[in-house]
Amino acid sequence: EIVMTQSPATLSVSPGERATLSCRASQSVSSNLAWYQQNPGQAPRLLIYGASIRATGIPARFSGSGSGTEFTLTISSLQSEDFAVYYCQQYKKWPTITFGQGTRLEIK
Amino acid sequence: ELQLLESGGGLEQPGGSLRLSCTASGFTFSSFAMTWVRQAPGKGLEWVSSIINSGSSTYYADSVKGRFTISRDNSKNTLYLLMNSLRAEDTAVYYCANNQYDSSGYPFPNFDYRGQGTLVTVSS
Repeated sequence: EIVMTQSPATLSVSPGERATLSCRASQSVSSNLAWYQQNPGQAPRLLIYGASIRATGIPARFSGSGSGTEFTLTISSLQSEDFAVYYCQQYKKWPTITFGQGTRLEIK
Repeated sequence: ELQLLESGGGLEQPGGSLRLSCTASGFTFSSFAMTWVRQAPGKGLEWVSSIINSGSSTYYADSVKGRFTISRDNSKNTLYLLMNSLRAEDTAVYYCANNQYDSSGYPFPNFDYRGQGTLVTVSS
């Protein structure tokens, strides 16, 4: 099983500032990496797939980078609606997909 | 627009059974593999099971293998998860997702983020 590790567990950032979230895979997943945002009581929302491709309707302030085992999600200028939990997920080994444990992005 | 509506959750005793349903619209259901993912209270996301578009191949996480059965009815645009021999550790919100493809042809799950999933509680 590919283990996904996210850091930090919690990130405190002020509105308007940049947030950088990290995700590491225990083995190479190439670019088969997705990022999701989850708000309380809701299903996850797809933000990024293919490590760097924004999903339909996702604002340009969200960007993804990386390949192999190291990945980054950057939110360039935080809006109030961006404070949520973020998960990375590998799908290199579909159907045995695995998620990171999540990063909680909170208002500083 | 992708719409997925999960139902069928509830309170069940250990050892009992439940059948979850996921009604899909906004896409050609019969063309896409489907996936169930669950989230225990206050925890992260866990893959449970997937089924290809025809239904002829199914896949399960080790934690549910032999107890859960995934199936689909393409004529009704509906995905199912039959859950037998339920355990306390199956308590979670269950989400369904369709699987889209990236440019390299790899499938990945996409959820209806407006959905709330369906809560399964296993307790005596």
